[in-house]
Amino acid sequence: GEDVEQSLFLSVREGDSSVINCTYTDSSSTYLYWYKQEPGAGLQLLTYIFSNMDMKQDQRLTVLLNKKDKHLSLRIADTQTGDSAIYFCAETLSYGGATNKLIFGTGTLLAVQP
Amino acid sequence: NAGVMQNPRHLVRRRGQEARLRCSPVKGHSHVYWYRQLPEEGLKFMVYLQKENIIDESGMPKERFSAEFPKEGPSILRIQQVVRGDSAAYFCASSPSGRDTGELFFGEGSRLTVL
Repeated sequence: GEDVEQSLFLSVREGDSSVINCTYTDSSSTYLYWYKQEPGAGLQLLTYIFSNMDMKQDQRLTVLLNKKDKHLSLRIADTQTGDSAIYFCAETLSYGGATNKLIFGTGTLLAVQP
Repeated sequence: NAGVMQNPRHLVRRRGQEARLRCSPVKGHSHVYWYRQLPEEGLKFMVYLQKENIIDESGMPKERFSAEFPKEGPSILRIQQVVRGDSAAYFCASSPSGRDTGELFFGEGSRLTVL
């Protein structure tokens, strides 16, 4: 089935690290993504990781991928109040080489306390 | 460069009326996706279209919902005889053709409220 699961809520203090976890189902996913949604807005791509990688770092963001367990995580270092948003993980569902469809998780609401 | 443009941003309809949501993809993108976000839920895939073709409509309710992406003009998501359960944010996304990272570019959504 197509199920991407995330915890619903995470609260951290400003300056701490945040870790958002996700489990996915499609082992053939070529890319896995993290999107951010601010209140009342659409989704913006934060980062993605190619499935043959274990880790990707991009400034304050670190993505870890465990393909064996189908587990993806997003670590945000030095979390700021502006990072408060909903974070969605997504996997790709391919059409035999054609462009993909993304399956999204339920989203994790990150609340950053000052 | 304009991103994905959706309109209207907010739409209020009474039960039984029709809702039409429009989406203009990023210039040059020929793939359009519609997602629905119900209150306090994640994004659920509805339909994937290329110009003049529906590629995957596995997430579309069988009745009352239809989508098109004509050769010219925006993609339209049409909901006939709306019910309260249709109240949601509807997001359109687009991507360029061909193999790529699969990144989707999202619009800001159309928020439908059914009274």
